[in-house]
Amino acid sequence: AQSVTQLGSHVSVSEGALVLLRCNYSSSVPPYLFWYVQYPNQGLQLLLKYTSAATLVKGINGFEAEFKKSETSFHLTKPSAHMSDAAEYFCAVSEIGGNKLVFGAGTILRVKS
Amino acid sequence: GAGVSQTPSNKVTEKGKYVELRCDPISGHTALYWYRQSLGQGPEFLIYFQGTGAADDSGLPNDRFFAVRPEGSVSTLKIQRTERGDSAVYLCASSSRPGLAGGVGELFFGEGSRLTVL
Repeated sequence: AQSVTQLGSHVSVSEGALVLLRCNYSSSVPPYLFWYVQYPNQGLQLLLKYTSAATLVKGINGFEAEFKKSETSFHLTKPSAHMSDAAEYFCAVSEIGGNKLVFGAGTILRVKS
Repeated sequence: GAGVSQTPSNKVTEKGKYVELRCDPISGHTALYWYRQSLGQGPEFLIYFQGTGAADDSGLPNDRFFAVRPEGSVSTLKIQRTERGDSAVYLCASSSRPGLAGGVGELFFGEGSRLTVL
């Protein structure tokens, strides 16, 4: 069965610092990979997705993620954190041809001024 | 409405009671998903509808849980004989694509229904 591991349930960065949220997946074949964000009192929304095209994927709000098959990773980065980035971030995986997403446990990002 | 709507936003019930949670997806979206999110965990898949039929119900934890989508739009998640362990946020999502193959569809999530079983 596919699974996703997000390292670090809480990450704290200073405003303007690099954001790095880690995600590793378990799959026998390269899957589709997603990052979702959940702001307080809002539903989850898609940040970006990898669907076997370019390995470096750019998303909304300046976020990007790189698919590394050799490391089975799909880490999320942003060069400079903003206060508005404070939220919970979820990595998710889907089988190619599958019909559901399997989510990681989430990482809460705190941005300090 | 413009987004996925879930009602009620909060539901408090007593152990053993019956509960219904409603999801109104984005108009025209054929695929509808229910997920459950417990405290400190990511969303856990429950069931997926394509149109009126449940295409995948492998995530339903037991036979106390049931979901319907009779007209291919609004869906209701039904929980019988609720237990304290059922306390969670129940999330609904919809998508315009029938599945996640090929052109991967984006899931649009509602804000969830928070269920508390006392």
